[in-house]
Amino acid sequence: EPEVTQTPSHQVTQMGQEVILRCVPISNHLYFYWYRQILGQKVEFLVSFYNNEISEKSEIFDDQFSVERPDGSNFTLKIRSTKLEDSAMYFCASSRQGDAFFGQGTRLTVV
Amino acid sequence: RKEVEQDPGPFNVPEGATVAFNCTYSNSASQSFFWYRQDCRKEPKLLMSVYSSGNEDGRFTAQLNRASQYISLLIRDSKLSDSATYLCVVEPGNTGKLIFGQGTTLQVKP
Repeated sequence: EPEVTQTPSHQVTQMGQEVILRCVPISNHLYFYWYRQILGQKVEFLVSFYNNEISEKSEIFDDQFSVERPDGSNFTLKIRSTKLEDSAMYFCASSRQGDAFFGQGTRLTVV
Repeated sequence: RKEVEQDPGPFNVPEGATVAFNCTYSNSASQSFFWYRQDCRKEPKLLMSVYSSGNEDGRFTAQLNRASQYISLLIRDSKLSDSATYLCVVEPGNTGKLIFGQGTTLQVKP
């Protein structure tokens, strides 16, 4: 069964450092997303990406965040200068139309 | 008012019980509705889409009431493996952006 894969599964970084979270969406999917979940809280939308551009972003997705689809398979989320409050589980998701399928997540810990 | 609101629970039920979860949403223009399941420290997994006519998948039945902006999930004959957090999810427009509720925790006990 095709699945969304994310790397790394866990990333520890120092405050102020840049991190790149990587995702390989399901191959025939057209829409890509990043969500985050702070421990104990709900899943929050960050950004959606379609046709090689951002289609929608939330208030959380400020100038510190960026997304890229550098090639035909990868989809990345970059956080330029991490803050303590960026510590969360980051989920990548993809969909063809409608139902979104999530990767297993990257747990980001900022120290 | 929260965009998607759920009773967080927890719901503690014995095996074999029937349990119902409710959810309300604030945006009357919302297009699509889903129930996802999330196990502890895992990713959300799609359980089922929710249609106006109601839909059933085995022991699970989902219903949507657009007039009341209300979604429900019924689980019959609960199994131990049903223990998880159930997330009510709404797609407000046709962008694919999903809005998640806080989740309702279910614990099924032997």
